[in-house]
Amino acid sequence: GESVGLHLPTLSVQEGDNSIINCAYSNSASDYFIWYKQESGKGPQFIIDIRSNMDKRQGQRVTVLLNKTVKHLSLQIAATQPGDSAVYFCAEFYDYKLSFGAGTTVTVRA
Amino acid sequence: EPEVTQTPSHQVTQMGQEVILRCVPISNHLYFYWYRQILGQKVEFLVSFYNNEISEKSEIFDDQFSVERPDGSNFTLKIRSTKLEDSAMYFCASSEGGGEKLFFGSGTQLSVL
Repeated sequence: GESVGLHLPTLSVQEGDNSIINCAYSNSASDYFIWYKQESGKGPQFIIDIRSNMDKRQGQRVTVLLNKTVKHLSLQIAATQPGDSAVYFCAEFYDYKLSFGAGTTVTVRA
Repeated sequence: EPEVTQTPSHQVTQMGQEVILRCVPISNHLYFYWYRQILGQKVEFLVSFYNNEISEKSEIFDDQFSVERPDGSNFTLKIRSTKLEDSAMYFCASSEGGGEKLFFGSGTQLSVL
């Protein structure tokens, strides 16, 4: 079946550097995408979303890019901080449900 | 800030027993969801609920599972006869509308012995 997935299971980044987390989705009919952050023992926390009629959306220190041609989604975190250490999931909305990818564990090095 | 609350935070049960996981969605939200996450794995969709009926359900959500909105504030997930493989973190979520962002609770860790 079709699914949302992330390219890399882990990412190690130096504090202060920018992080880029990638996600490939296979369902071309998906029209809404969300990035979630999950810290240990907690539920997924909304970071930023984007609809399929856009290719870029910016929030506070985060940017989501959507490339529908190659079905690729990315999350950029500027000036990564220790508090950004977590598992990041992309999720696609299709057929009345939100489906999650496998997650990327981001570790911030001091 | 309004949030989704779940109780209990941890539930330990014997195989074959019934469990009910409870959730209070955000008050003005109309769509409700249950997801589960087995340790170290991705978050898996179980069921969505709107207007007092199930909208969508996954193949995980078999006859052993049921959901209910018994009153104007609670949303429950019942597992009739738990199996070892039901051990997971169960998350409740709600959204204001369909196709809108989901807000998740902190989860109930279910351990089936």
